[in-house]
Amino acid sequence: DTEVTQTPKHLVMGMTNKKSLKCEQHMGHRAMYWYKQKAKKPPELMFVYSYEKLSINESVPSRFSPECPNSSLLNLHLHALQPEDSALYLCASQEQNTGELFFGEGSRLTVL
Amino acid sequence: GQQLNQSPQSMFIQEGEDVSMNCTSSSIFNTWLWYKQDPGEGPVLLIALYKAGELTSNGRLTAQFGITRKDSFLNISASIPSDVGIYFCAGQLVDRDDKIIFGKGTRLHILP
Repeated sequence: DTEVTQTPKHLVMGMTNKKSLKCEQHMGHRAMYWYKQKAKKPPELMFVYSYEKLSINESVPSRFSPECPNSSLLNLHLHALQPEDSALYLCASQEQNTGELFFGEGSRLTVL
Repeated sequence: GQQLNQSPQSMFIQEGEDVSMNCTSSSIFNTWLWYKQDPGEGPVLLIALYKAGELTSNGRLTAQFGITRKDSFLNISASIPSDVGIYFCAGQLVDRDDKIIFGKGTRLHILP
């Protein structure tokens, strides 16, 4: 299994809602990342997890809250988002020895 | 499926040397991106290229979007120790606006 699976594929939420994005990989990768991609723009790094610990937070607002409950799973909890947070959220994992990146298909978020 | 061929896979150079790496594909891209991953961190965007033939510099880094839209190169001039890391190219496909394909990375080592 060489896939990174992200769910849901699409999410529409209001500014007062609480929702979560999920990312799963079973390749034994111990580094996982969240990226945000606005339309027509490159993916921008949000969070870095290494061995289930948050190592880098790229100055992301606290309304985004990541969680890594185990080595296969990475969540992104969303609360009180703004319309400008609407974007494609990409999860990636990285193979330790080769450094190869594996990206999921993304979760497309719309905040109304 | 679509893939990028990034080369070289790794490089060992002396400090002060120039570096060149490239990505090629059989697919046409409308955007080329170059990311750098410092040791222990996540890949972050270095340069984005949006037009065929475009040549863009960022300090000692220069990247070009190939005329055929199927390739891109990244040059680093007068390398310094902090250039160590993994460099990833990424292309955004013409027919799928938000789909980004990443290369497998070029690992740059600088010898003392």
